Amino acid sequence: RKEVEQDPGPFNVPEGATVAFNCTYSNSASQSFFWYRQDCRKEPKLLMSVYSSGNEDGRFTAQLNRASQYISLLIRDSKLSDSATYLCVVGNQAGTALIFGKGTTLSVSS
Amino acid sequence: GAVVSQHPSWVICKSGTSVKIECRSLDFQATTMFWYRQFPKQSLMLMATSNEGSKATYEQGVEKDKFLINHASLTLSTLTVTSAHPEDSSFYICSASGATSGSWYEQFFGPGTRLTVL
Repeated sequence: RKEVEQDPGPFNVPEGATVAFNCTYSNSASQSFFWYRQDCRKEPKLLMSVYSSGNEDGRFTAQLNRASQYISLLIRDSKLSDSATYLCVVGNQAGTALIFGKGTTLSVSS
Repeated sequence: GAVVSQHPSWVICKSGTSVKIECRSLDFQATTMFWYRQFPKQSLMLMATSNEGSKATYEQGVEKDKFLINHASLTLSTLTVTSAHPEDSSFYICSASGATSGSWYEQFFGPGTRLTVL
């Protein structure tokens, strides 16, 4: 089983749609979780951290289920500018490195 | 926010040559720098972690004699791909974290260097 697994997509949605991405991780001892965004041929950028209680930042909501080792990202009212690859990222057990998923590609069209 | 630069942004070289990539933290002191490699449609793979003034820690399967990392100052780390081969062609990205950037996981990424080996 891969350390961090994501559905690669692509997800093709119209503007205004709500879209959800899922991610699973293999190491139950992982302590930190994030969603990064990566545009084509660019570096990844931190979108938001993910907390056990769930957290929201504008149109973006992240959830963590430790029992199922499952992380989700919900994007409401999609914008054209949301088109990108979304990377699920988990901190390793030692807290010394980040482990990246392959990413889920989102394409928002008008 | 914290800014990390990389140079060059794109390099094409002949097989057998060595290529040096620089990673600089422009407005903060990076106590730790990370080097990643990303192949098309693949995830970022951590190659090595370097702390200023000490030897880099390489991930399993990464040849330390082929990928030389130097982190001589708090603002500069270099990755040298020695005797490059076509299979080394990839997108190399560095990231930096430091006391001023908050938690260890708050890594700031450079824009990446695209290496093409002919």
